[in-house]
Amino acid sequence: KAGVTQTPRYLIKTRGQQVTLSCSPISGHRSVSWYQQTPGQGLQFLFEYFSETQRNKGNFPGRFSGRQFSNSRSEMNVSTLELGDSALYLCASSSPGGYVEQYFGPGTRLTVT
Amino acid sequence: EDKVVQSPLSLVVHEGDTVTLNCSYEVTNFRSLLWYKQEKKAPTFLFMLTSSGIEKKSGRLSSILDKKELFSILNITATQTGDSAIYLCAVERTGGNTGKLIFGQGTTLQVKP
Repeated sequence: KAGVTQTPRYLIKTRGQQVTLSCSPISGHRSVSWYQQTPGQGLQFLFEYFSETQRNKGNFPGRFSGRQFSNSRSEMNVSTLELGDSALYLCASSSPGGYVEQYFGPGTRLTVT
Repeated sequence: EDKVVQSPLSLVVHEGDTVTLNCSYEVTNFRSLLWYKQEKKAPTFLFMLTSSGIEKKSGRLSSILDKKELFSILNITATQTGDSAIYLCAVERTGGNTGKLIFGQGTTLQVKP
């Protein structure tokens, strides 16, 4: 079974621009969560989507948004990029119901200059 | 505020040593505790713990949860250089927060030959 895939793997943007990251979950997984990982803050939860609906949201500004499509693929958008948005963005998928672990993708490394 | 605290933050050992990593948590509506290993990219799943006192084991790694004292430990015996990584502990909550993981800062383990 193929794992979680994320595209692109690396991105360099300048301040003020916007960016869209993509995540394809493991086949059959309907829940996709997004995390931001930085050296100073560690892994922080952004949001979770299930069946095209945002089910949970972390403490991030409105510049961070996401969506999920009917095939469970998810996109995350960051508008008006700031230097502090430079981070590794990870998505994880899981199959809801019972106790199930989340499987992470390889991440997208975003650098804002 | 819910939090997950890992200790130590970093550890250097030699091959063959046994290490114990700690994870304590203060989380309302606890559902499960998860351990991940992160090398260069995506965290990879190690264990999910939901019940107190039941040891989970995989090769040289084992983990146990104490829901009364609110902590978990991850043991690695006969360490190898390939065990060098960041070990992440995360807690999932019940109810509307299912799917949202709260991560600790991670423990960086370096195993020297």
